[in-house]
Amino acid sequence: EVQLMESGGGLVQPGESLRLSCAASGFAFSSYAMTWVRQAPGKGLEWVSGISDSGGSTYYADSVKGRFTVSRDNSKNTLYLQMNSLRAEDTAVYYCAKDSGKIALREVFDFWGQGALVTVS
Amino acid sequence: EIVMTQSPATLSVSPGERATLSCRASQSIATNVAWYQQRPGQAPRLLIYGASATGSNRATGVPARFSFSGSGTEFTLTISSLQSEDFAVYYCQHYYNFPPWTFGQGTKVEF
Repeated sequence: EVQLMESGGGLVQPGESLRLSCAASGFAFSSYAMTWVRQAPGKGLEWVSGISDSGGSTYYADSVKGRFTVSRDNSKNTLYLQMNSLRAEDTAVYYCAKDSGKIALREVFDFWGQGALVTVS
Repeated sequence: EIVMTQSPATLSVSPGERATLSCRASQSIATNVAWYQQRPGQAPRLLIYGASATGSNRATGVPARFSFSGSGTEFTLTISSLQSEDFAVYYCQHYYNFPPWTFGQGTKVEF
């Protein structure tokens, strides 16, 4: 069974940093791209970032480019999102999701974690 | 950036009825669309994606009452006979070519 478990959320002040983790199990983590999607309170879904299976390719939404960094440790089956210079508009539940393929391009998000709440205030 | 627009924002239906949800892309995206279901307090769940002449791809465990049609810029998710567990918010998302991958604003299916 595929399981994704986010951690590291919390309350921070504007300008501060936070690192989210996503522990994966139940599938060959190193063979799949991974994605972060966020959802502001009461709002819809926003794609944030994606990373290929090897970590060699990364992609970001314009709203976080230059402030957020996605990475992965395939030896630990863990995905990360380093968030710097946080703003009030970054307040959201952050979901990690497994891609259906390797390259983080033209793939769907076939399994999702339960999310981690990040509050910037 | 490709804009995905869903309609209606809210769909009021009764159990057993048919529900039709629409999604429009701001440019042609072939059939590179996925639909996700989000029940209250839960994470989104992949339902169905990639409509084609031979049918669409339902995710594991998704019942056959969910179907998807369309190509280019107009797409439809149909729930043939609504069950109580289908009352949720549904999002379409494109995965055409390159990011950013954008979602529609969602359609809430309510009783």
